[in-house]
Amino acid sequence: QKEVEQNSGPLSVPEGAIASLNCTYSDRGSQSFFWYRQYSGKSPELIMFIYSNGDKEDGRFTAQLNKASQYVSLLIRDSQPSDSATYLCAVMNSGYSTLTFGKGTMLLVSP
Amino acid sequence: GAVVSQHPSWVICKSGTSVKIECRSLDFQATTMFWYRQFPKQSLMLMATSNEGSKATYEQGVEKDKFLINHASLTLSTLTVTSAHPEDSSFYICSARQGPHSYEQYFGPGTRLTVT
Repeated sequence: QKEVEQNSGPLSVPEGAIASLNCTYSDRGSQSFFWYRQYSGKSPELIMFIYSNGDKEDGRFTAQLNKASQYVSLLIRDSQPSDSATYLCAVMNSGYSTLTFGKGTMLLVSP
Repeated sequence: GAVVSQHPSWVICKSGTSVKIECRSLDFQATTMFWYRQFPKQSLMLMATSNEGSKATYEQGVEKDKFLINHASLTLSTLTVTSAHPEDSSFYICSARQGPHSYEQYFGPGTRLTVT
């Protein structure tokens, strides 16, 4: 049973702060890791993906991957109220090519 | 680019009836499409994977005779919920992938199904 664990939150940060979202996964064979943002009542939208150990930056977002610890994180710099949403971590296994999603962490950015 | 549409966006049906949901890739050919279900405050649960021209692969616990999936072309997949019951009420989301080596899944906007 492949599992992806996230703290459900809510994670509350003030506007302009750094939000740190974490995710752990159980399947060591997992190859690619995705962060999606989902607004209430909407479908997920891809923020970024990572497949190599280390950091990957895209604008205000940085994904961090540590395969040895089976840990993925997403940092959001200069958080904005519009970033308030649920952030879903998803893991893809190379053999199966499907995504397993975590339950998501709700982020609340206060003005 | 990479737009996926779903129709309808919401539907209400009576218990015992069937409902068909369409998923279309508008500007690319999708070799693989995925169907997910999401209950309130829960994550996306993969129901099935469909490849164009072949039978869908269902996840464990998903009744293939109840949730009929047809991927007849490279731009269209349909999910039919047969003999719907109130417990089938959920948010159904499809996604599409361009090729077998493509990392990214493009999600449709979802269909809210309510069974009364």
